[in-house]
Amino acid sequence: QKEVEQNSGPLSVPEGAIASLNCTYSDRVSQSFFWYRQYSGKSPELIMSIYSNGDKEDGRFTAQLNKASQYVSLLIRDSQPSDSATYLCAVKGGANAGKSTFGDGTTLTVKP
Amino acid sequence: IAGITQAPTSQILAAGRRMTLRCTQDMRHNAMYWYRQDLGLGLRLIHYSNTAGTTGKGEVPDGYSVSRANTDDFPLTLASAVPSQTSVYFCASSASGGLQETQYFGPGTRLLVL
Repeated sequence: QKEVEQNSGPLSVPEGAIASLNCTYSDRVSQSFFWYRQYSGKSPELIMSIYSNGDKEDGRFTAQLNKASQYVSLLIRDSQPSDSATYLCAVKGGANAGKSTFGDGTTLTVKP
Repeated sequence: IAGITQAPTSQILAAGRRMTLRCTQDMRHNAMYWYRQDLGLGLRLIHYSNTAGTTGKGEVPDGYSVSRANTDDFPLTLASAVPSQTSVYFCASSASGGLQETQYFGPGTRLLVL
């Protein structure tokens, strides 16, 4: 079992729809969770971080964390073509301490 | 402020050759990291450094070495390149390696080993 798993893509949604990206992790004592966006041929950039159970909203983005289920998700409301990218889930804490473990990413395409 | 710079941008390398990928940051961050990203996959940690003078092994360290002589620079060396080291290499940094810190990434080096 991989330490961090993301729903397999690619994911395609129409413009204006809600995109839902999911991530599960295996280390129960993980403490910090991050979503990075990576455009094709570019480096990852942070879009959301979450550390406590519940929801965290930032503009059109909402991160949801459920530590009991070892699950973190990212919702993108009113999806735009500019949201088309690969989204990487990263987890810190637990056995790996301050080092991040990344999932393989989910590629999102938002169709006009 | 440039953030993190990496050099070269891309490189084609013959198998068996030695290669050093350069990484420099101007944010005075203590923690630095090297990742590789293979096509369609996530980032895998090669080596890291929590502060100048110290380094540690990540998930996939074999065939790579690093040094951290000062805060700003964190070079990655492939002693004898092999085709399986073909990948995109990203250098990253964070303030001190804390659990809630954001990592900032350089633009990457695309390496092809033939």
